[in-house]
Amino acid sequence: QSVLTQPPSVSGAPGQRVTISCTGSSSNLGTGYDVHWYQQLPGTAPKVLIYGNTNRPSGVPDRFSGSKSGTSASLAITGLQAEDEADYYCQSYDSSLSGWVFGGGTKLTVL
Amino acid sequence: QLQLQESGPGLVKPSETLSLTCTVSGGSISYYYWTWIRQPPGKGLEWIGYFYYSGNTNYNPSLKSRVTISIDTSKNQLSLKLTSVTAADTAIYYCARVVDTEGYYYRPWGQGTLVTVSS
Repeated sequence: QSVLTQPPSVSGAPGQRVTISCTGSSSNLGTGYDVHWYQQLPGTAPKVLIYGNTNRPSGVPDRFSGSKSGTSASLAITGLQAEDEADYYCQSYDSSLSGWVFGGGTKLTVL
Repeated sequence: QLQLQESGPGLVKPSETLSLTCTVSGGSISYYYWTWIRQPPGKGLEWIGYFYYSGNTNYNPSLKSRVTISIDTSKNQLSLKLTSVTAADTAIYYCARVVDTEGYYYRPWGQGTLVTVSS
């Protein structure tokens, strides 16, 4: 059981908008710790997609956006493309565990 | 451009020690946080621990009694040792640099190395 909770899967048709939630608690997101999002394409290492809740590294399309409020965060993907089919993970810090934690991951399927 | 490459035995026997190295190129291993993360086949990511250039370390409480992370600045390498391994330690092991602005996140990652624990 992950400290950060994500839906196991989401899906959407090309061109649509999907969101992936990341739910934490008062010992992580609720305390104000930043959340970061990673995309893992099949057979590859994860890469950071969103850092510091809302920031995109250079090279990441603006179709990807992040938000955070209270004990929850979300990753939104607009204009879905086939190449977006991947696993997505949220990550933050947990004060109870005194360490970094990941969500369980969400598999995005582009229909 | 910073690049990381993990290396080490792909097969380790139960009860033995898993030892991996992460070679950093394109930059110095000093002045940063460095971390190890693992991913069992078909499963999610698990943070193992980090090493800060000052010598500070922090480990996942579930692995703390078995893990040691260190760096060799002369070789620009990060290392991971995990003792008393079992089949549950079978995973792809990744090293990554930790960026400590706007929180702490991992960029870049190595390509990962698969370690199988089996007799």
